[in-house]
Amino acid sequence: EPEVTQTPSHQVTQMGQEVILRCVPISNHLYFYWYRQILGQKVEFLVSFYNNEISEKSEIFDDQFSVERPDGSNFTLKIRSTKLEDSAMYFCASSHQSSGGYEQYFGPGTRLTVT
Amino acid sequence: AQSVTQPDIHITVSEGASLELRCNYSYGATPYLFWYVQSPGQGLQLLLKYFSGDTLVQGIKGFEAEFKRSQSSFNLRKPSVHWSDAAEYFCAVGGRSQGGKLIFGQGTELSVKP
Repeated sequence: EPEVTQTPSHQVTQMGQEVILRCVPISNHLYFYWYRQILGQKVEFLVSFYNNEISEKSEIFDDQFSVERPDGSNFTLKIRSTKLEDSAMYFCASSHQSSGGYEQYFGPGTRLTVT
Repeated sequence: AQSVTQPDIHITVSEGASLELRCNYSYGATPYLFWYVQSPGQGLQLLLKYFSGDTLVQGIKGFEAEFKRSQSSFNLRKPSVHWSDAAEYFCAVGGRSQGGKLIFGQGTELSVKP
């Protein structure tokens, strides 16, 4: 069964460093998303991406964040200058249209630790 | 404002007992509703969804959920819980439009005792 994959599973970085989180969405999906989950808190939407453009972004997704689909298979989230509060589990998701709606399928997540 | 409330942070049930996890939502339009499950160290797995039609929806692993518009609820049920059902369960609303975001509840952690 096709699945969303994410690398790395765990990333440790120092405050102020740039990180790139990578995702490979399901191959025939056209919509891509990033969410994050700070430890003990709810899953929060960051950004959605379709047709090489951002469709929607949350207040969290400020100028420090960017997304890119550099080729036909990868979808990346870049944090330019990490802060301690960026420590969280980051989930990538992809979706397709199904029965009038859009089911989002999630990857296993990347745990980002900023020290 | 759009929101999802899962009133129970943690529930413990005995193996073989029935289960109901509560979810209430606030959404301006007819909602699309989802339940996801997260096992420790794993991603979010879609259990079931409601888009339209029959308000009782069946999902994987023997779960079902009922959409009640009058109560703004979408409670998840299972008639007989297995030890492997121990996990965190998230209710979510949204996804109506392309690129539409999901809004998640706080999650309910389910423990199963033998």
